[in-house]
Amino acid sequence: AQSVSQHNHHVILSEAASLELGCNYSYGGTVNLFWYVQYPGQHLQLLLKYFSGDPLVKGIKGFEAEFIKSKFSFNLRKPSVQWSDTAEYFCAAGPRGTYKYIFGTGTRLKVLA
Amino acid sequence: NAGVMQNPRHLVRRRGQEARLRCSPVKGHSHVYWYRQLPEEGLKFMVYLQKENIIDESGMPKERFSAEFPKEGPSILRIQQVVRGDSAAYFCASSPSGSDTEAFFGQGTRLTVV
Repeated sequence: AQSVSQHNHHVILSEAASLELGCNYSYGGTVNLFWYVQYPGQHLQLLLKYFSGDPLVKGIKGFEAEFIKSKFSFNLRKPSVQWSDTAEYFCAAGPRGTYKYIFGTGTRLKVLA
Repeated sequence: NAGVMQNPRHLVRRRGQEARLRCSPVKGHSHVYWYRQLPEEGLKFMVYLQKENIIDESGMPKERFSAEFPKEGPSILRIQQVVRGDSAAYFCASSPSGSDTEAFFGQGTRLTVV
């Protein structure tokens, strides 16, 4: 069955620390990949997406993600986090041509000022 | 810049009552999706609708749950005779096309069944 795994459920970092959130998916074909962020009390917002092309994807607010096909991974990174990055982060995946995306369980990031 | 609007934000129902959750998609989007998030779990797909049509309801429980997206007005997710296990956050999303596109999410409706 298709699934998306996010390895870290809770992450606590100090400001200026580097961030990497893991995401692995289980699907053998061509996939669309997303990272969404949900700030407290707000809706999910798209951080970045990968459909095809350059596997290193730049998103908003200084985030980036790298698609590594051989590892079925799409890890999210940010070189230096800020207090305002405190939020919950969701990875999502689905086969090309789909509308039905599978979401990971989310990672709650807390950044200490 | 009106995004996906969901209401109510919070809904409390007693066991056996009905819950109606509303979703107005982004203007111009004709594709609507409902997801449910149970505590400590990821968002799970429930149903995909286009105007007046249910395209895929494979993620929806067979009983008590129904969804519609009429020609005019918001999409409605209806849960009849709610039980405690229905307590969850229900998210609506919309997109301009039905595949290979990002979905725009609402803030969700948090349903609590007491």
